[in-house]
Amino acid sequence: AQSVTQPDIHITVSEGASLELRCNYSYGATPYLFWYVQSPGQGLQLLLKYFSGDTLVQGIKGFEAEFKRSQSSFNLRKPSVHWSDAAEYFCAVPTGEYGNKLVFGAGTILRVKS
Amino acid sequence: EAGVTQSPTHLIKTRGQQATLRCSPISGHTSVYWYQQALGLGLQFLLWYDEGEERNRGNFPPRFSGRQFPNYSSELNVNALELEDSALYLCASSRGPRNEQFFGPGTRLTVL
Repeated sequence: AQSVTQPDIHITVSEGASLELRCNYSYGATPYLFWYVQSPGQGLQLLLKYFSGDTLVQGIKGFEAEFKRSQSSFNLRKPSVHWSDAAEYFCAVPTGEYGNKLVFGAGTILRVKS
Repeated sequence: EAGVTQSPTHLIKTRGQQATLRCSPISGHTSVYWYQQALGLGLQFLLWYDEGEERNRGNFPPRFSGRQFPNYSSELNVNALELEDSALYLCASSRGPRNEQFFGPGTRLTVL
């Protein structure tokens, strides 16, 4: 079954520093992949998506992610983190016959220190 | 364009009662999904409705049910509430299968 793994439960970075959040997927074919962000007490906001084509995907809020088939990874990056980026981040892969049952990773909580 | 809306924001019930949660999708979206985010269990797929029909359900007991109305809004019903049903319930919508899902702010259900 398709799955995603986020190895880091918590990450702390300094404001202005670069960020990379890891996501590894388990899937036979080329997957669709998503990154979502959840601020405390809020719903999920879609940051970016990978369907096919260019392996470097640009998203909102200055985020990008790179799909690497050889490493089964879809890591999220941001060159300079802002305090407002503190949130929980989820990687997700659609599964099921119609590809619309999202399976989420456990999430990575990002803390930004000033 | 208005996003996905959910009501109520918070809901407090006692064990054994029934809870009804509501969701309005983004205009033009025909698919509605429900997810449960419980402490320690992460985000889990609950139900998918498309064009008024239940198309798929996750590994949840039958007391979790719902429906989709002709205007594509949806209702999630949880019967015979148990303490472990306390969670944030998120609704999402998409233009149809295999399209990205957009989430609402959620309903926080607390079972006492």
